[in-house]
Amino acid sequence: QLQLQESGPGLVKPSETLSLTCTVSDGSISSSNYYWGWIRQPPGKGLEWIGSFYYSGSAYYNPSLKSRVTMSVDTSKNQFSLKLTSVTAADTAVYYCARLLSDSSVELYYFDYWGQGTLVTVSS
Amino acid sequence: QSVLTQPPSASGTPGQRVTISCSGSSSNIGSNTVNWYQQLPGTAPKLLIYSNSQRPSGVPDRFSGSKSGTSASLAISGLQSEDEADYYCAAWDDSLNGLWVFGGGTKLTVL
Repeated sequence: QLQLQESGPGLVKPSETLSLTCTVSDGSISSSNYYWGWIRQPPGKGLEWIGSFYYSGSAYYNPSLKSRVTMSVDTSKNQFSLKLTSVTAADTAVYYCARLLSDSSVELYYFDYWGQGTLVTVSS
Repeated sequence: QSVLTQPPSASGTPGQRVTISCSGSSSNIGSNTVNWYQQLPGTAPKLLIYSNSQRPSGVPDRFSGSKSGTSASLAISGLQSEDEADYYCAAWDDSLNGLWVFGGGTKLTVL
């Protein structure tokens, strides 16, 4: 069964860069028809999609965050990463990594596997 | 303010049937499929319904989904105490360069 695990600092200072890594187990990050991405959830609030990418390079980001977001992948380690620059208290959230099935041949698009999430607090 | 609109709360007694609505627009629900996620307290969201009405393996048939126009609904029949959770709808939105949008979530309480 595919597993995803987020890792990274739980505390980031305002104006600095938030960096998280997602390690994928029991499955390949290079699988066809699967994108990988990040979704966050501020404490007590709803879900917000940050962005998704395909292992070969194509990526798309939430327009509201695009100027501050970078996603990258290391296929040799089966890991992918998120960097969010110039953070503020509004970026405090549980960050989830997730796999996105995207198969246009059968019109299937959904996030099917999620990591357990990691809380990142932005505070000085 | 979420792009997809859900009622903030819903409730029912064991055995009852409850429905949760999700309202969107022509750029999201009106032109793309809807997925539903269940989030139990302190856990990650779990896929509950995909492609408007399909259940992943392992999801009880008490859960069903439907879509009409720019709205979607999740129905839970034979309500059980373990169904108490937050439920989110999601869809791809074709506006701008495209983005995934979620509803604000509905907290279901089993009385």
